[in-house]
Amino acid sequence: KAGVTQTPRYLIKTRGQQVTLSCSPISGHRSVSWYQQTPGQGLQFLFEYFSETQRNKGNFPGRFSGRQFSNSRSEMNVSTLELGDSALYLCASSLEGISNQPQHFGDGTRLSIL
Amino acid sequence: KQEVTQIPAALSVPEGENLVLNCSFTDSAIYNLQWFRQDPGKGLTSLLLIQSSQREQTSGRLNASLDKSSGRSTLYIAASQPGDSATYLCAGGISSGSARQLTFGSGTQLTVLP
Repeated sequence: KAGVTQTPRYLIKTRGQQVTLSCSPISGHRSVSWYQQTPGQGLQFLFEYFSETQRNKGNFPGRFSGRQFSNSRSEMNVSTLELGDSALYLCASSLEGISNQPQHFGDGTRLSIL
Repeated sequence: KQEVTQIPAALSVPEGENLVLNCSFTDSAIYNLQWFRQDPGKGLTSLLLIQSSQREQTSGRLNASLDKSSGRSTLYIAASQPGDSATYLCAGGISSGSARQLTFGSGTQLTVLP
């Protein structure tokens, strides 16, 4: 069974630009969650999508948004990029959600802002 | 606000030693506690998930316990091997109304010396 796939693996952008990251969950998984990992703040929850609807949201500004398609694939968009957005962005999938099931993570997209 | 703490930040042990990693959380109303490992440049791999109604979970050489009353969880690794070298993270599942998310600790970087 294929794991969670994130594309691209690496991305370099400049301040003010916008970026879109993609996540393909494990087949049959309907929940996709996004996390930001930085050396200073550690792993922080961004949001969770389930059946094309945002179900949970962390404490990030509106510049961070996402969506989920009917095949459960998810995209995350960050607009007006800032230097502090440099991070490893991870997505995780599970069958029904982050409530009581293990989360299966992809290898992440490393975003660098110049 | 839920806070999750992991001590120590780094640990180095000789191969074959049994070891314990610690995780503490401030909100005893967690609905589960998960342990993950992260290898350099990779995403997270789920190791064990303990539901709030459970006391412990075991998988191979790993055993995780949960004590909600004291706000603590431990991950016990028996007969450590160099392949166990990685960063270990714990995450508490919290809910606020209908919203749910995982709050992560900052991790313990484990090195097992051959």
